[in-house]
Amino acid sequence: AQSVSQHNHHVILSEAASLELGCNYSYGGTVNLFWYVQYPGQHLQLLLKYFSGDPLVKGIKGFEAEFIKSKFSFNLRKPSVQWSDTAEYFCAVNDAEKSSGDKLTFGTGTRLAVRP
Amino acid sequence: NAGVTQTPKFQVLKTGQSMTLQCAQDMNHEYMSWYRQDPGMGLRLIHYSVGAGITDQGEVPNGYNVSRSTTEDFPLRLLSAAPSQTSVYFCASSYGANLEQFFGPGTRLTVL
Repeated sequence: AQSVSQHNHHVILSEAASLELGCNYSYGGTVNLFWYVQYPGQHLQLLLKYFSGDPLVKGIKGFEAEFIKSKFSFNLRKPSVQWSDTAEYFCAVNDAEKSSGDKLTFGTGTRLAVRP
Repeated sequence: NAGVTQTPKFQVLKTGQSMTLQCAQDMNHEYMSWYRQDPGMGLRLIHYSVGAGITDQGEVPNGYNVSRSTTEDFPLRLLSAAPSQTSVYFCASSYGANLEQFFGPGTRLTVL
């Protein structure tokens, strides 16, 4: 079974600072990778996803993530954060080779607070 | 499209009571899932369904039942509520296996 680790539980940044949130997964097979964001009081929304191809994935709102297979990592980055990026960020993985089921395994989340 | 809808938004139960959390989607998605979100634990899968009439257990299924009689609806039933089931519950759906999931707004449940 897969597992996902997000080592940064809380991150506080000032506006315009650069962001990198770590995500590591443990699974030896082919995976699909996702980053979801949950703004305060709202439901989860997809930021970006990786299925195959270019390991550098660009998502909405200026976010990007890089899949490094050798490191089992899928870190989320943004060059310059805004106050509106204050949210909780979840990394998730599932098995790309399974033909049935749609089980996502989530990390525990990273709560980001951006100071104006 | 309304997307994924959940009712109620908030619910308070007493220990031992039963209730059903409703989830519906209008995107003709085959795959639907229920998660619970607890502080510091991320989202954990309770049950999921790959199509009408087919359900399976996730990571934390105990105390919950599901059924999928139609493509659109995927209700989650708490048989006898316990304080440990206090959580925020999210329903999600997707087009197919291993694809992006769309989440509903959540139900915040408190069990006293």
